[in-house]
Amino acid sequence: GQNIDQPTEMTATEGAIVQINCTYQTSGFNGLFWYQQHAGEAPTFLSYNVLDGLEEKGRFSSFLSRSKGYSYLLLKELQMKDSASYLCAVRSTGKLIFGQGTTLQVKP
Amino acid sequence: DAGVIQSPRHEVTEMGQEVTLRCKPISGHDYLFWYRQTMMRGLELLIYFNNNVPIDDSGMPEDRFSAKMPNASFSTLKIQPSEPRDSAVYFCASSVQAGVRNEQFFGPGTRLTVL
Repeated sequence: GQNIDQPTEMTATEGAIVQINCTYQTSGFNGLFWYQQHAGEAPTFLSYNVLDGLEEKGRFSSFLSRSKGYSYLLLKELQMKDSASYLCAVRSTGKLIFGQGTTLQVKP
Repeated sequence: DAGVIQSPRHEVTEMGQEVTLRCKPISGHDYLFWYRQTMMRGLELLIYFNNNVPIDDSGMPEDRFSAKMPNASFSTLKIQPSEPRDSAVYFCASSVQAGVRNEQFFGPGTRLTVL
């Protein structure tokens, strides 16, 4: 079967660092994506990992371990505008399978 | 450059009525995806096309749902007859088969309410 798990909600303080975890079990694997979705808006692409290791892009980094079926998204120097839902998605057999998303609330 | 365009942005209809959602993908993109998002089930893939041909419709809930892509710049998702449980946000996304990443670009979505 296909299963992607991520925490439902997280809260963090402005300026801090937060790590959002994602574990997956899928019948195939051809990359893992992180999308950001602000309330009432469309998901937008944040990061992509297909090989093990860390990908860094500005304040955001994403890590992948294929053997463990595990990824995380790391957000540094949190800003209020980072309050959003973060969706983990695995590409399998040509299509994306999304997790339920993690709603991050950044507090002053 | 325009992104993915969807219309209407909001639709309110009564149970039993036909609903048609429209999508214009990004020019040059050869993949088009229809998703449905609800609080309970999250973001679910309904169907996707490659070069206007349906590739996987296993996510289409039932025969009341149908999707077409008559050309590279237009697709429709139709629900007939609509039911209250179809209330959701429907997203269209497109991507291009180039390189490894092939990330999907989402349209703004259509918020459907069936009364």
